[in-house]
Amino acid sequence: NAGVMQNPRHLVRRRGQEARLRCSPMKGHSHVYWYRQLPEEGLKFMVYLQKENIIDESGMPKERFSAEFPKEGPSILRIQQVVRGDSAAYFCASSPSGVLNQPQHFGDGTRLSIL
Amino acid sequence: AQTVTQSQPEMSVQEAETVTLSCTYDTSESDYYLFWYKQPPSRQMILVIRQEAYKQQNATENRFSVNFQKAAKSFSLKISDSQLGDAAMYFCAYRSPTGANSKLTFGKGITLSVRP
Repeated sequence: NAGVMQNPRHLVRRRGQEARLRCSPMKGHSHVYWYRQLPEEGLKFMVYLQKENIIDESGMPKERFSAEFPKEGPSILRIQQVVRGDSAAYFCASSPSGVLNQPQHFGDGTRLSIL
Repeated sequence: AQTVTQSQPEMSVQEAETVTLSCTYDTSESDYYLFWYKQPPSRQMILVIRQEAYKQQNATENRFSVNFQKAAKSFSLKISDSQLGDAAMYFCAYRSPTGANSKLTFGKGITLSVRP
């Protein structure tokens, strides 16, 4: 069974460019969570999606950030007009449902560096 | 809102000995899940152990066990017979019981080093 797949592993962008981060959940998982980890910090929740629906986006900045999880294809976290402060590791996690007793399985993360 | 606190930024343990990592949390909910995740230098997030709040028995996974004190809102991780491969950052995390709010809330983490 393939785990949660994130790509790219590393992404370098210049200030003002767009960054697109992809996440393919584990097979059979329809719930996706995005987290951001700043250097020397724990992971901070950004957004929780089910197929074609955003369930909770309370942790996502209101501007420049958006996320989607279409019916077909991976979940995408999109950051427009990136700034230096967006440099971080972005992790995706998936679970079969939002039920409490099903743990979230994490991908290896995407390291975003802004020049 | 729930908060998770890991007050020790670093700890060190001698190989083969036992170490305990501390975690406290704050919540008004009565049912929830608690987790410990390990993040080695490769930066993967690996689930170590989980505890359901309604269970009084402490969870155990091989060399890893927890001391869950619900009234004190404390959830410490004990690693027995420490191995060099245990060196990593360890994060304590809380998960709310409601489906729409099922995100994980993490502490800041603790860096564990293992001395040979």
